[in-house]
Amino acid sequence: GDKVKQSPSALSLQEGTNSALRCNFSIAATTVQWFLQNPRGSLMNLFYLVPGTKENGRLKSAFDSKESYSTLHIRDAQLEDSGTYFCAAAYQGGRALIFGTGTTVSVSP
Amino acid sequence: EAGVTQSPRYAVLQEGQAVSFWCDPISGHDTLYWYQQPRDQGPQLLVYFRDEAVIDNSQLPSDRFSAVRPKGTNSTLKIQSAKQGDTATYLCASSLVGYTGQLYFGEGSKLTVL
Repeated sequence: GDKVKQSPSALSLQEGTNSALRCNFSIAATTVQWFLQNPRGSLMNLFYLVPGTKENGRLKSAFDSKESYSTLHIRDAQLEDSGTYFCAAAYQGGRALIFGTGTTVSVSP
Repeated sequence: EAGVTQSPRYAVLQEGQAVSFWCDPISGHDTLYWYQQPRDQGPQLLVYFRDEAVIDNSQLPSDRFSAVRPKGTNSTLKIQSAKQGDTATYLCASSLVGYTGQLYFGEGSKLTVL
C-alpha cells in the first residue's frame, strides 16, 4: 500500500459529471494497470499503460513515469461506473504488481 | 475467448477445516497468480507461477497454505486448518509473458471462516 497511494479513497458523483482519480508511486514504476471491481467482486482490466496516455470511451488514463503518477479520468459519469477502482504498478527490480488501496466511486442519478 | 475460471465461488468453513480453490487461466497464459483480498482492501499477492514453476511465494503462509500448478495450466490453492483471519476473497489471475503483462482476473472465491 505504501508504494502505491491512491486518492481520493472515496468519491461521490452525479450522473453526467467528470472526475479524476490518481495514483502516486514511491517506486520506479515501469507499467501501470487500472482495474474496476464491480459490486459483485469481479475485477475488470480497464487499461494497461506504458508511459503515455490511452482512451477508451468515456475513460482516459495517463502514466507519467518521470513524475511517478498515473491518473484515470471519468467523463460523463454513468451509474455503471460505480465500483472500486484500483491501480497497480510493475516496477524496476520488482517481481509482481503492487496494488493501491482503491478509490470507491458511487454514481447517483 | 474464455476468461479466467475459478471455483467454488463461495465457501463457508468452521475454524480448523480445509478448503481448496481451483483456477483455470486463459488459454496460453504462462503466468498465473493467486491474490488474497480481505474486505475493503486491495488484492495482495500470495504466490505466482510461470508455467509450473513457483516464481514468488514469499507472501504465502506456508504452514497452512499451499499452491500447485503441476502441468503449467490449472492451479489449486489449498488452505489447511483455516482461521477466521483467512476470511477473504481469493482471486486468481493470469497474464501472458510474466508479471509485467496485462493481468486478467477470475471472479474470485469468497471464503468465510466462522
